[in-house]
Amino acid sequence: AQTVTQSQPEMSVQEAETVTLSCTYDTSESDYYLFWYKQPPSRQMILVIRQEAYKQQNATENRFSVNFQKAAKSFSLKISDSQLGDAAMYFCAYRSADSNSGYALNFGKGTSLLVTP
Amino acid sequence: DAGVIQSPRHEVTEMGQEVTLRCKPISGHDYLFWYRQTMMRGLELLIYFNNNVPIDDSGMPEDRFSAKMPNASFSTLKIQPSEPRDSAVYFCASRWQGEYNEQFFGPGTRLTVL
Repeated sequence: AQTVTQSQPEMSVQEAETVTLSCTYDTSESDYYLFWYKQPPSRQMILVIRQEAYKQQNATENRFSVNFQKAAKSFSLKISDSQLGDAAMYFCAYRSADSNSGYALNFGKGTSLLVTP
Repeated sequence: DAGVIQSPRHEVTEMGQEVTLRCKPISGHDYLFWYRQTMMRGLELLIYFNNNVPIDDSGMPEDRFSAKMPNASFSTLKIQPSEPRDSAVYFCASRWQGEYNEQFFGPGTRLTVL
């Protein structure tokens, strides 16, 4: 079974600064997907960014980018120019590319991000 | 599309009572998932359906939990009898068939068992 580890229960960043959230995972598969989800106080799960394991290029979505290190099984999220609205729980998630998995998501425990003015 | 719809949004009940959580997936989606979120265990998969058929229920904690999907547009998660340790947020999610497609989450149901 795949495990996803987020070693930072809480992080803090000042507005306009950059912060990096860490995630490592364990898998024996070669083909899979990785995700970062944001969960604000509203509880809604919002997809921030996704990375296909077969792609070497790191994914980028506006102020959000990832550093995907496949050999090291590391998948960190960088938030640039942090905004107050970025304050939330962030979850790293793994999904197999194998249809037998049903494409279910396997989540880390989350990192609570605080953004200070 | 209205997205994944869950009801109720909040449920407070007493220990021993039956609880039924409801989910309407996005129209046309082939897969439906039930997840549970607690402080201790984080987000964990309970069960998923493919074309209304339960495929993997290994995450269902015990026999008090059951899930059904009588048709493509409706699923229920039932807890009977409920216990205080069942207090959690329960999410329903759905997606289309195919490796690349994204999973869409409902707003969740916050269950409190007193």
